[in-house]
Amino acid sequence: GAVVSQHPSRVICKSGTSVKIECRSLDFQATTMFWYRQFPKQSLMLMATSNEGSKATYEQGVEKDKFLINHASLTLSTLTVTSAHPEDSSFYICSAVSIGGNEQFFGPGTRLTVL
Amino acid sequence: EDQVTQSPEALRLQEGESSSLNCSYTVSGLRGLFWYRQDPGKGPEFLFTLYSAGEEKEKERLKATLTKKESFLHITAPKPEDSATYLCAVRSGNQFYFGTGTSLTVIP
Repeated sequence: GAVVSQHPSRVICKSGTSVKIECRSLDFQATTMFWYRQFPKQSLMLMATSNEGSKATYEQGVEKDKFLINHASLTLSTLTVTSAHPEDSSFYICSAVSIGGNEQFFGPGTRLTVL
Repeated sequence: EDQVTQSPEALRLQEGESSSLNCSYTVSGLRGLFWYRQDPGKGPEFLFTLYSAGEEKEKERLKATLTKKESFLHITAPKPEDSATYLCAVRSGNQFYFGTGTSLTVIP
């Protein structure tokens, strides 16, 4: 139980294009999903908290117009990196908390490379 | 200020050499302390949740314990496949706070 998937697992794109990453809770419903960014050998950096049916809450320093988050259902949240640039290259990880639950369950991550 | 500190940052053990990882925290209204394992290039894998001082949880060679100010992840007779980064997190209200992790290397 408590499986979270992410798609795609890897993506390479050209500078200036937009990339969408999907995060799905496969066997539970999630009221809250989180999006993280992780640089090599560093810890998780929270980007935003997403609650189903409402606007995401972004952490300080994260551009909401650049990192668009949509949480349209209890099992799906998407992160769109708009007009991606090489500095956006990173490992993006989502997590989900089940309704009434306490723990975050993480997806396998998406490696984004912007050329 | 709510925060989580993990130590050591890195730990190298010989196979079979037991040790402990520490997670100290200062949060108000603890709603849970969580341990995760993260392998390179993968998302964190959930290991344990602890809720109250004195609580212990075990899974194979791992045992997590909790006091009012810290948690320990004890690794008994580790194997090379236990090599990973171990993350600790706490929940206070609807906020989660993560430590920076302990990178464990177990040498055959």
